[in-house]
Amino acid sequence: QVQLVQSGAEVKKPGSSVKVSCKASGGSFSSYGINWVRQAPGQGLEWMGVIIPVFGRGSYAQNFQGRFSITADESTSTVYMELNSLISEDTAVYYCARDRPGAGGACVFWGQGTLVAVSS
Amino acid sequence: DIQMTQSPSTLSASVGDTVTITCRASQSISSGLAWYQQKPGTAPKLLIYLTSTLEDGVPSRFSGSGSGTQFTLTITSLQPDDFATYFCQQYNSNSGAFGQGTRVEI
Repeated sequence: QVQLVQSGAEVKKPGSSVKVSCKASGGSFSSYGINWVRQAPGQGLEWMGVIIPVFGRGSYAQNFQGRFSITADESTSTVYMELNSLISEDTAVYYCARDRPGAGGACVFWGQGTLVAVSS
Repeated sequence: DIQMTQSPSTLSASVGDTVTITCRASQSISSGLAWYQQKPGTAPKLLIYLTSTLEDGVPSRFSGSGSGTQFTLTITSLQPDDFATYFCQQYNSNSGAFGQGTRVEI
């Protein structure tokens, strides 16, 4: 069974950067997309981007292009997301989520979420 | 980016009711449409993918349908465990926009 384990909560100052990891176990790491989705307090889900590790390059939502990047380390089965120039509105729980064969790209497996709080 | 508009934002229902949630895409999409259930403090749970395929272990009272720009999630015979927030998501190789969510409450 696929399991995604994310790094711990972060508290950041406005203008700084945050890097969150998502380590996958079980199943094939390289061939399936790992998405990043965030959820601000009391709000809905916001898709940020996706990477298929074997291709190495992420695709990003327009809202995040320019200050957001996703990278993958196949040697450790870990995907990273980095968000720069943080503002208070970036305070949210950040999830990684992966698909599986046959699901066509849907987010089947989810990490436990990582709270990123941006505050001066 | 494709935008997803979900309605209603809140839905009041009772145990045993049949409820329908609608999701509309800003442009025609393929069958890459999924529905998720989320309860407070937990990650979303996949219910349906490829518009109408039920995820393993999901009760058959959940069903999905639609095509083009209009998609629906139907829950028949609503159970106490179904009171939660539901999200649609369109997904393809380059994007994955979510709808705004529908809170199903008593």
